[in-house]
Amino acid sequence: IAGITQAPTSQILAAGRRMTLRCTQDMRHNAMYWYRQDLGLGLRLIHYSNTAGTTGKGEVPDGYSVSRANTDDFPLTLASAVPSQTSVYFCASSGRESNEQFFGPGTRLTVL
Amino acid sequence: GQNIDQPTEMTATEGAIVQINCTYQTSGFNGLFWYQQHAGEAPTFLSYNVLDGLEEKGRFSSFLSRSKGYSYLLLKELQMKDSASYLCAVMDSNYQLIWGAGTKLIIKP
Repeated sequence: IAGITQAPTSQILAAGRRMTLRCTQDMRHNAMYWYRQDLGLGLRLIHYSNTAGTTGKGEVPDGYSVSRANTDDFPLTLASAVPSQTSVYFCASSGRESNEQFFGPGTRLTVL
Repeated sequence: GQNIDQPTEMTATEGAIVQINCTYQTSGFNGLFWYQQHAGEAPTFLSYNVLDGLEEKGRFSSFLSRSKGYSYLLLKELQMKDSASYLCAVMDSNYQLIWGAGTKLIIKP
């Protein structure tokens, strides 16, 4: 793989179900991020990780959890999905050499 | 609070020039980014300004005035493929990006 990948591409989920969105990068970037993008709003940071083994809360962390067991992977888990979590989710990463963030293709999630 | 403002939508003609403005109020400043996002796709990096002045990159230029909390993205010789949303983002004192809602640019032939 080259760059940053996300899975699944899209998902329809029943409310109350648990769901993990996957994100993998092969650029050896130290920092990774999860955003959600909703119509009319800017990208909002859910959680971030500055380096493997550490995570932090962003602007809208409630209902979401993350882990960073290694450099490459940064999964986002919705423990019990609710309809307000219907959104497009983007994973991003950045390296120490610049502040530029590289984005994955996104996951379109619908919670019914 | 932190705030990034940019117009919701702009329309321009193919071959023309368009300027997209962005004003910001953030806790700290560690640079301003412009990203392009085509419908249904991921944002892609266009430019980064951390010092005042104009940065030129081909048909695209970005300007920053830190004292005014203001930036603009200038697109010249517009092409139909430039139809996209343009996102302004500021890196705050915690090195987190604060994003504007984006400006949807419509190019007409």
